[in-house]
Amino acid sequence: DGGITQSPKYLFRKEGQNVTLSCEQNLNHDAMYWYRQDPGQGLRLIYYSQIVNDFQKGDIAEGYSVSREKKESFPLTVTSAQKNPTAFYLCATSTGRGFGQPQHFGDGTRLSIL
Amino acid sequence: AQSVTQLGSHVSVSEGALVLLRCNYSSSVPPYLFWYVQYPNQGLQLLLKYTSAATLVKGINGFEAEFKKSETSFHLTKPSAHMSDAAEYFCAVILSGSARQLTFGSGTQLTVLP
Repeated sequence: DGGITQSPKYLFRKEGQNVTLSCEQNLNHDAMYWYRQDPGQGLRLIYYSQIVNDFQKGDIAEGYSVSREKKESFPLTVTSAQKNPTAFYLCATSTGRGFGQPQHFGDGTRLSIL
Repeated sequence: AQSVTQLGSHVSVSEGALVLLRCNYSSSVPPYLFWYVQYPNQGLQLLLKYTSAATLVKGINGFEAEFKKSETSFHLTKPSAHMSDAAEYFCAVILSGSARQLTFGSGTQLTVLP
């Protein structure tokens, strides 16, 4: 099946710990995105990548890091510098070709603090 | 600042009644517009998109939206609500000069009453 796989579905972080959220896609899409969702605030862009080995900060990048070593993978690390990491994290992809292409979303990872 | 506004964070309708979810954007240039639906603990699913081909856009699950440039609106409608339509709905735009980034509204939670 073609799609976007986010893992794990639920994740717990201890104080001072870094955690990594996985996002893998087999849609052959060039662009990948990470969003954070909090109740009543919609989705906010953390990082995005339009091509392998390149990525840009979004609106709320502080306390997060990413890598894009392969076209299929765009992992997000929530570092200990992110003081309020509890949220629902969504990964998305788009073809990256042309303007106005929709984004396709994974099923998300819910991160909580222990 | 360019943005997208969803009027009404919560909307309730009776089963079989008209669904109307409101979305307004602020942009001097018509953007690309999208509606997404999100069921609990899941990612976002694309309902429909406006890319300037036609002002009335039909989507999945019986939803449609009309682009009105004079009103800078892109409201989502469905003639007859079904219980399975209960979910959160997000309006999103790709604005000119945004490097293909989606900007989301804050969402509208739709409740369908029996």
